[in-house]
Amino acid sequence: DTGVSQNPRHKITKRGQNVTFRCDPISEHNRLYWYRQTLGQGPEFLTYFQNEAQLEKSRLLSDRFSAERPKGSFSTLEIQRTEQGDSAMYLCASSTTRGGGELFFGEGSRLTVL
Amino acid sequence: QKEVEQDPGPLSVPEGAIVSLNCTYSNSAFQYFMWYRQYSRKGPELLMYTYSSGNKEDGRFTAQVDKSSKYISLFIRDSQPSDSATYLCAMSANRYAGGTSYGKLTFGQGTILTVHP
Repeated sequence: DTGVSQNPRHKITKRGQNVTFRCDPISEHNRLYWYRQTLGQGPEFLTYFQNEAQLEKSRLLSDRFSAERPKGSFSTLEIQRTEQGDSAMYLCASSTTRGGGELFFGEGSRLTVL
Repeated sequence: QKEVEQDPGPLSVPEGAIVSLNCTYSNSAFQYFMWYRQYSRKGPELLMYTYSSGNKEDGRFTAQVDKSSKYISLFIRDSQPSDSATYLCAMSANRYAGGTSYGKLTFGQGTILTVHP
């Protein structure tokens, strides 16, 4: 399978714990995005990487959130001191350098904070 | 007011019906328009991608963009039970960062479609 891969698919944690999600993009894609989707809503943009550089962050990404993309390949999204409001599906997407936003999404990592 | 408005439905149609899904938007800078299909507990899957105004057809799917009215549509002909899913419209404008342009998608809320046999 050469699509976008995300792990873990589902994470259940207690409030206050830290969680980390991993995304492996399509190999020839140098752009990587993180989105968050809550129930009944469309995905919302969180952050964008071109290669290893994080070029844009949404104001939705509070100080408790950090994303990295070392070496411009896989990416991690860490949430520290989780809150119940962080419960959502975290989606990773990748694309080529062709402008416009033809994004290819992974299956998502669902976070449940108890 | 949201930048992209989409009727959440739900929409229920019989097999074989023509389905019409719509979105309106307020940001005139949007140039790229997409439709994604999302099955329950899965990631969105790209269905159609269009640039600027006009029509695009792919099998049973037709996407229309009317930039003058800030209105986009997706038509599904001969709908099948396997088309039952949430349909998300998405759009972007060129943004510039790091010396290059890229697209940041703004999504609609999604329309839940059920096609019953």
